[in-house]
Amino acid sequence: DTEVTQTPKHLVMGMTNKKSLKCEQHMGHRAMYWYKQKAKKPPELMFVYSYEKLSINESVPSRFSPECPNSSLLNLHLHALQPEDSALYLCASSHGATLVIGELFFGEGSRLTVL
Amino acid sequence: AQSVTQPDIHITVSEGASLELRCNYSYGATPYLFWYVQSPGQGLQLLLKYFSGDTLVQGIKGFEAEFKRSQSSFNQRKPSVHWSDAAEYFCAALNPDNYGQNFVFGPGTRLSVLP
Repeated sequence: DTEVTQTPKHLVMGMTNKKSLKCEQHMGHRAMYWYKQKAKKPPELMFVYSYEKLSINESVPSRFSPECPNSSLLNLHLHALQPEDSALYLCASSHGATLVIGELFFGEGSRLTVL
Repeated sequence: AQSVTQPDIHITVSEGASLELRCNYSYGATPYLFWYVQSPGQGLQLLLKYFSGDTLVQGIKGFEAEFKRSQSSFNQRKPSVHWSDAAEYFCAALNPDNYGQNFVFGPGTRLSVLP
């Protein structure tokens, strides 16, 4: 069983809609990530939160807005998306402490379709 | 620039045959190395990891991997493939200084298994 939970599993939205993807982990991890994955491609890093502060933003368009309300929760707010934003959005977490090595734990993803 | 390469885009093997999946990295220092597996429409699951020490590491599902510093490689093997091993396999690396928590993924190798 995955210990990173993502909701919803599937989302269909129009280009004018506002929606959110949610991610939750209870492993005490202090780093949380959003990745975007297109078919037959590796995950592409979007954002990293470390100790609830945004530490990496990989030049993601402003129509994607991340939020980390607390150490267990990570949201991705979506607004005015384009059809090319349709993809699998993966949340992940890791231990996150400096000099503590930790692998990524992934959720099962939210499949987003933009019409 | 830091990079991870997987020379084989697609591999097909017969059930019961042996398997080797290749991974090479290009980093200033030896990174931490990981293998992940992804079934269609699912998140990524960790198979193997190498941080230091013994260069032969055992993972889940009967996979093992060998780190070779001289070849900048972290290839994984399985002696006998099962039909359920059909999936996408990603090699990933993390900078050893661990700052930024920026995991770099290879392009992936898709494994097909013939009955």
